[in-house]
Amino acid sequence: DADVTQTPRNRITKTGKRIMLECSQTKGHDRMYWYRQDPGLGLRLIYYSFDVKDINKGEISDGYSVSRQAQAKFSLSLESAIPNQTALYFCATSDLGTLQRDTQYFGPGTRLTVL
Amino acid sequence: QQQVKQSPQSLIVQKGGISIINCAYENTAFDYFPWYQQFPGKGPALLIAIRPDVSEKKEGRFTISFNKSAKQFSLHIMDSQPGDSATYFCAASTQGGSEKLVFGKGTKLTVNP
Repeated sequence: DADVTQTPRNRITKTGKRIMLECSQTKGHDRMYWYRQDPGLGLRLIYYSFDVKDINKGEISDGYSVSRQAQAKFSLSLESAIPNQTALYFCATSDLGTLQRDTQYFGPGTRLTVL
Repeated sequence: QQQVKQSPQSLIVQKGGISIINCAYENTAFDYFPWYQQFPGKGPALLIAIRPDVSEKKEGRFTISFNKSAKQFSLHIMDSQPGDSATYFCAASTQGGSEKLVFGKGTKLTVNP
């Protein structure tokens, strides 16, 4: 499903480097999210935005920042990457779907490796 | 603090068997319980969801059973197929302005031919 796209899909970087992960969506949703997935830890929320002027910290925001450039674009930045930020990162959007409750639509993910 | 506890972490089932994944929660304010399915190399996608006003919801071979008094819910996959092999996440949320989903840690299901 190309409604939510993430770039890059894979990235290898070095400790201390600044890196930006980008997310774009064509679903017209106001709500966007960034998650991190680690084996055995599930999906953990980093930041979320309910509209262009709204940015909120999630469960694990330390070491990350975000920018909501437009309704369709939500970027995640690692200001100074460290090895324990090696993970699979997902962007998601949401609307009121099944049962009139928040249904999230995930992008394909970005695999980030910090050496 | 883990708000949604999911078990088992991994599950191996033979083709045609029943796969059962369990989740438990503590927050009684949760009132929406979706399950997401993730295939390798893909993002999670909504599979099925339930509200606590019903005890069971069935969609094809997938059924959610919900026990409000025990604060538990489970996913049953009947006649499991190799194509069901994926990671499954339970989740929960509360109604309101901040409907953030809280995810379980996931269950990797393998269905052998």
